[in-house]
Parts: sequence; structure tokens; C-alpha cells
Amino acid sequence: KNQVEQSPQSLIILEGKNCTLQCNYTVSPFSNLRWYKQDTGRGPVSLTIMTFSENTKSNGRYTATLDADTKQSSLHITASQLSDSASYICVVSPYGNNRLAFGKGNQVVVIP
Amino acid sequence: DVKVTQSSRYLVKRTGEKVFLECVQDMDHENMFWYRQDPGLGLRLIYFSYDVKMKEKGDIPEGYSVSREKKERFSLILESASTNQTSMYLCASRDAYSNQPQHFGDGTRLSIL
Repeated sequence: KNQVEQSPQSLIILEGKNCTLQCNYTVSPFSNLRWYKQDTGRGPVSLTIMTFSENTKSNGRYTATLDADTKQSSLHITASQLSDSASYICVVSPYGNNRLAFGKGNQVVVIP
Repeated sequence: DVKVTQSSRYLVKRTGEKVFLECVQDMDHENMFWYRQDPGLGLRLIYFSYDVKMKEKGDIPEGYSVSREKKERFSLILESASTNQTSMYLCASRDAYSNQPQHFGDGTRLSIL
């Protein structure tokens, strides 16, 4: 069973526009939730981290939100740039456990 | 900056060969991990190591083994490569005593013919 579901699977957006990626999870209890960015041909890189008590966290044009009650997180990209084209992976860390639960990723393509 | 280096970006091997994938990290991290990443399946944990000479099976260990003789190096071994092991392999490391994320290498794209 997949404990982390992401939507949409893929999307194409125009440069300069905003977009929001969704992550629903069932992992409980959890220690933290991260969003990673993975450029084509590269390893994932951590963008944001939130613990269960945090609602929002920003990193430049990336803003992540977390609702621990509904077990949902979102990643909002503001004023998208061509360099935002990548896969965005939602990763939940179970409490007291080294084994991360990975979503399958949101594939974002930004076009000029 | 943490650096996780995987020895090969691309590798082509034949069915039945013994294959070694090497990973080195430069931050004295205790924990190291091997994942494979396949389209539509996301990242899946093969093996991880808490510390030197310690290892634990992940979710898909069949057909793989690992070695951690030194803290900075974690090797993944395909005992007898098969075509269904064609994949992207990612290594990661992590400081066991902080809330820092796992740091990933850039992956090895392995093709088994």
C-alpha cells in the first residue's frame, strides 16, 4: 500500500504562472514531512521540512503547507521559472523510524 | 556542503554478472541508504546501514547485498544481475543525530542486457 499519494502526476505550466502540488499521506505518527526537488538526471534535493506542529514553510518561491489533521500537504510554486521543471517528491518520515515513505512525485514542466 | 558521490553515472552489464555500485560520502554520516527509482514506482529502499559493518534490509532486498567496511563507503552488490534490475540506483547518507535530510547522490543508471 502506498502511504504517500501525490497529485497531479504531471502538469505543464507557462513561465511566470503559479502552481500547487498536492500530497496526501497516511503515515502516522510522523516526525516530519519534506518536499524534495529532483532535476532530470540528478539526485533529489531537500526544499522544505515541516514537523507536525508547523503549518507553513517557505524557501524562496516555494511555499509548503501542512494540515496534520487531514494529513495533507501542498507545495506552491510562485512565478514559475524554466528551472522549476523537475519532479517534486513528497517524503514523510515516520516517528522513530529511519525508513522514509516516498510519494511517486509530481512532474512539472515549465514552458516559455 | 554534503557530497555523496556515486562511482558511475551510467553502467551497462550483462545478465549473470556480479555488479558493484559504489557510494562515498564526505560528511562522516552514520546512516547510508541504497534506493532504486523506477518510473511510476518512485523510490524504493533496498538496504540501509546504521553504521560501519551494520546493515538492514529494506523493502526490496532480494537479489542484492551490501557492504559497509568503512564509514564513508557503502557498496551495493548485484550477485547475479538480471534484466529486471535495470534501473536508476540512488545512494543517500544522513547524520543520525540531527534533523537534517537524507542527502542523495546523482544516481547510477544501470542497464542489464
